[in-house]
Amino acid sequence: QQPVQSPQAVILREGEDAVINCSSSKALYSVHWYRQKHGEAPVFLMILLKGGEQKGHEKISASFNEKKQQSSLYLTASQLSYSGTYFCGTTDSGSARQLTFGSGTQLTVLP
Amino acid sequence: DAGVIQSPRHEVTEMGQEVTLRCKPISGHDYLFWYRQTMMRGLELLIYFNNNVPIDDSGMPEDRFSAKMPNASFSTLKIQPSEPRDSAVYFCASSSRDPNTGELFFGEGSRLTVL
Repeated sequence: QQPVQSPQAVILREGEDAVINCSSSKALYSVHWYRQKHGEAPVFLMILLKGGEQKGHEKISASFNEKKQQSSLYLTASQLSYSGTYFCGTTDSGSARQLTFGSGTQLTVLP
Repeated sequence: DAGVIQSPRHEVTEMGQEVTLRCKPISGHDYLFWYRQTMMRGLELLIYFNNNVPIDDSGMPEDRFSAKMPNASFSTLKIQPSEPRDSAVYFCASSSRDPNTGELFFGEGSRLTVL
């Protein structure tokens, strides 16, 4: 089942912060975050495994709350280059090892 | 490394025609995935292979779709006959690890338009 992302879209000014949420109705094993720029392929940002870890990638970090079956992506002091569509992908704790993506959050950073 | 290579980049065809999309994964990657992206349905997993063997094809829409991986360096996704609703961007991705923990490396995609 597809994870649910929110918000669907967000517009920021350069330097502002943003949070993108991803939740699932299933018990999760892992959460993956990708960014896709218009007309390009998705590009990997990070993976979080069950255990409630938090990871960082420059000014982009994420948390994974296994109990709540949700993850959040934090973009701090956003740059113009952060614009794009952010997808979370999840695998559940069942036997099916299938990475299922959410519908995406379109992030626009304005100068 | 050249990355995941897909061809063709763009394909325009008429309803009823056969379409074959091709993918060369990154050398050494044991996992290969086919995803389809549309505005309505987002990124959908169609099928994935491990060591050239199909593991999960539950996302393949119907019998009109078939995928093969005859060797570690080549995979095809075939649609026969094609329909307008098959219009989408088809991405191939490869990974050195299983879907739980593996980073996916996507190709640039094949944009299919069925008239």
